[in-house]
Amino acid sequence: DAEITQSPRHKITETGRQVTLACHQTWNHNNMFWYRQDLGHGLRLIHYSYGVHDTNKGEVSDGYSVSRSNTEDLPLTLESAASSQTSVYFCASSDPGLDEQYFGPGTRLTVT
Amino acid sequence: GESVGLHLPTLSVQEGDNSIINCAYSNSASDYFIWYKQESGKGPQFIIDIRSNMDKRQGQRVTVLLNKTVKHLSLQIAATQPGDSAVYFCAENSQDSSYKLIFGSGTRLLVRP
Repeated sequence: DAEITQSPRHKITETGRQVTLACHQTWNHNNMFWYRQDLGHGLRLIHYSYGVHDTNKGEVSDGYSVSRSNTEDLPLTLESAASSQTSVYFCASSDPGLDEQYFGPGTRLTVT
Repeated sequence: GESVGLHLPTLSVQEGDNSIINCAYSNSASDYFIWYKQESGKGPQFIIDIRSNMDKRQGQRVTVLLNKTVKHLSLQIAATQPGDSAVYFCAENSQDSSYKLIFGSGTRLLVRP
């Protein structure tokens, strides 16, 4: 069955370290999204991509970057992790013909 | 699993009763709305969606109502079950005609046995 996976599921890192969170989908969706979820803020969009080599900033993109070298993967990189980036991160994908987004299981990131 | 939000509005219902979860959306130009269910430690899961040319749409035990006049969306769950306990999010499509969704902050549904 087609799916969307994230790894790792849990990560603890130190302030200043570079961290990369993986997202992989097998639906062959062109659209992919990264969100963070914090208490009291719901889901906030970090970056998104509409296809290979396309990336766009969301509402909370500072300190994050993404790259899209193929259809299946959209890794999220924290260039220099900060304690404010402690959060749960969700990846999602959608078919350009539909608005519904399918979400991965999430990655809980703790920056100490 | 981790807690999604300790300060979320909470709706507590008796098992077997109907539940109504409400959502106010922000943009009168939005033409697509969607409800997600999120259980503890999991990603949001699609429940039902509706386009602005409709007022009501029904699924299995769920109904979404759209009132464009007051920019209000509701999710009705019939015969609520313990497995319905979760956080529910509404979302609307972005006003820039992209594929982005704008999410509400969520409502926690607790089902009492």
